[in-house]
Amino acid sequence: KAGVTQTPRYLIKTRGQQVTLSCSPISGHRSVSWYQQTPGQGLQFLFEYFSETQRNKGNFPGRFSGRQFSNSRSEMNVSTLELGDSALYLCASSPTRTSGSWDEQFFGPGTRLTVL
Amino acid sequence: GNSVTQMEGPVTLSEEAFLTINCTYTATGYPSLFWYVQYPGEGLQLLLKATKADDKGSNKGFEATYRKETTSFHLEKGSVQVSDSAVYFCALSSNQGGKLIFGQGTELSVKP
Repeated sequence: KAGVTQTPRYLIKTRGQQVTLSCSPISGHRSVSWYQQTPGQGLQFLFEYFSETQRNKGNFPGRFSGRQFSNSRSEMNVSTLELGDSALYLCASSPTRTSGSWDEQFFGPGTRLTVL
Repeated sequence: GNSVTQMEGPVTLSEEAFLTINCTYTATGYPSLFWYVQYPGEGLQLLLKATKADDKGSNKGFEATYRKETTSFHLEKGSVQVSDSAVYFCALSSNQGGKLIFGQGTELSVKP
């Protein structure tokens, strides 16, 4: 079974631009979560989607948004890029999202975003 | 709120040495606990997990026991290899779905 895939793997943008990152979960997985990884802040949760609905959101400004499609593929968008948005963006998928229990998350290789 | 604290790295060991990476947590309720590993240039891979108190997770020679009384989930391996060099993250499941809370990560370097 193929793992989580993320495209592109690397991106270079300039301040003020916007960017869209894509994530394809493992086949059959319906929950997709996004994380930002930086040396200073570590791994921080951005948001989670399940059945095309955002079910949970982290403490990030509104410039960060996402969506999920009917095939469970997900995209995240960052508008008006800032230098501090430079990071590794990781996507993770889970087979189920059940209240009271939790399945492990399977991570993709990430998209390395550099903002100049 | 929920949080995870890991011992700071980097940790440098010789091959075949014993490894312990400390992890303590603060959480309400009964979270699941995880160890993930990240090799250079890659995403995170689940190493092991435990879902309730006194559970022991194990994989590839690594072990960790969910200790509720000490709120800890320390990672251990009896004999490390050069190929174990990576960054290790302790994490817990929050009571909000789809969200893992991670420690800061501990870099391990194993020398031959």
